[in-house]
Amino acid sequence: GAVVSQHPSWVICKSGTSVKIECRSLDFQATTMFWYRQFPKQSLMLMATSNEGSKATYEQGVEKDKFLINHASLTLSTLTVTSAHPEDSSFYICSAIAGGPWNEQFFGPGTRLTVL
Amino acid sequence: GENVEQHPSTLSVQEGDSAVIKCTYSDSASNYFPWYKQELGKRPQLIIDIRSNVGEKKDQRIAVTLNKTAKHFSLHITETQPEDSAVYFCAASLFADKLIFGTGTRLQVFP
Repeated sequence: GAVVSQHPSWVICKSGTSVKIECRSLDFQATTMFWYRQFPKQSLMLMATSNEGSKATYEQGVEKDKFLINHASLTLSTLTVTSAHPEDSSFYICSAIAGGPWNEQFFGPGTRLTVL
Repeated sequence: GENVEQHPSTLSVQEGDSAVIKCTYSDSASNYFPWYKQELGKRPQLIIDIRSNVGEKKDQRIAVTLNKTAKHFSLHITETQPEDSAVYFCAASLFADKLIFGTGTRLQVFP
C-alpha cells in the first residue's frame, strides 16, 4: 500500500509555544489529506479536511485559528498547533487519499504531542 | 452530521472462539464502512471494508455484514488468535471521504 509519513513522531513543548507537524505522502500524490486527534483510550476525531491549494475545512468545534493547516503541495500537509496548552496534548494522525471517490485512506504513524 | 456508535467497548474471548463487534450509524447517505485495527501507539490499519451495495464481505477469518435498512454493520472474527488482540474501530463515510469513527472496541484474546 501507499506510504504516509509524519514528522516528528513525538514532541514535548512548553505551554504557549507553537508546534508544527508534517504529513507527507511518499509515493503518491494526495489530493486530500485529513487530520485526526486521538486522546488516550479514545477514538479518532476528525479535525479537518485539507485539499491542496485551498483552505482547510474544519469540523465543528475545532478552532481554525488554533490549529493551522497548510496543504501547499500534493505531497505535504502541515498542522501547526499555536499557543499549545496541556489540554492539546494528544496523538495527532494524518491520512491521505489519492484521486477520486472510493480510494483508501492511508494513515500516517501519528505524532504524540505533550505540552508541559 | 454522521454519528457512529460501537459496542461493546471491551470484549474478551478465548483463543479459537469468535468475536463480534457491532456498529450503528445515523446518516442514511453513508455508503462506505471500513473497519480498522489499531495497536497501542500505532496507526490504524484497514482490515476490511464494505460498500452499501453489498450485504456481506469476507476475507479469510474476517467478515463484515451490513444492514442498510437498520443502519448497522458488524465485524465478525472467527478462530481468534492472540495476535488479534487490539482496538478495533468501525467508521462510516460517503465515498470513502471523511471518516467518522466509532468509539472503539478493545479485543483481548486469551490463549
